[in-house]
Amino acid sequence: GAGVSQSPSNKVTEKGKDVELRCDPISGHTALYWYRQSLGQGLEFLIYFQGNSAPDKSGLPSDRFSAERTGGSVSTLTIQRTQQEDSAVYLCASSQRQGFGNEQFFGPGTRLTVL
Amino acid sequence: DAKTTQPPSMDCAEGRAANLPCNHSTISGNEYVYWYRQIHSQGPQYIIHGLKNNETNEMASLIITEDRKSSTLILPHATLRDTAVYYCIVRELYNQGGKLIFGQGTELSVKP
Repeated sequence: GAGVSQSPSNKVTEKGKDVELRCDPISGHTALYWYRQSLGQGLEFLIYFQGNSAPDKSGLPSDRFSAERTGGSVSTLTIQRTQQEDSAVYLCASSQRQGFGNEQFFGPGTRLTVL
Repeated sequence: DAKTTQPPSMDCAEGRAANLPCNHSTISGNEYVYWYRQIHSQGPQYIIHGLKNNETNEMASLIITEDRKSSTLILPHATLRDTAVYYCIVRELYNQGGKLIFGQGTELSVKP
């Protein structure tokens, strides 16, 4: 079956603009995670959804970052007033259920470049 | 913060076993050891996990020392496609959200 998909695959934007990144998880997966990977910071957790609610937003770096999930499926990560330090690969993962023992399946990521 | 230490890079000859070490000296009783890998330009991929017994699946074997302070991921017959960054992650049993805390990983280069 289809894996996790993300769009766009690449996004170039100007500093100060807003961007939206989309994640389509594997059908039936109730847990969804956003991570980002940058040269200076490695792979870091951003936010986790169980269904449409986000019990853990602890990794969001600032209030410019927000995310939502609708219908227990698609998720959108929004970055407002982008800054150059937001440049990174944003990765989405899903798993069948929350928590321990449930393997996370990752998408290919969206590469964001802020000029 | 990541609770694991891994060598930054390793080389392995194609067809030979690749043995990737991981130090997790502060691991607690309710924490498991997980391994993921990330091939260039792709998202991370789950490999294997274990508590204290050695584990084996179709991809790899995981050997955990008796004191659980370190472990080794073994790829028995490495191929060029196994070239990737390998992440060792310590994860709580009761981490309800299941988020992964990645360290810097080991960049494995499999050479012909």
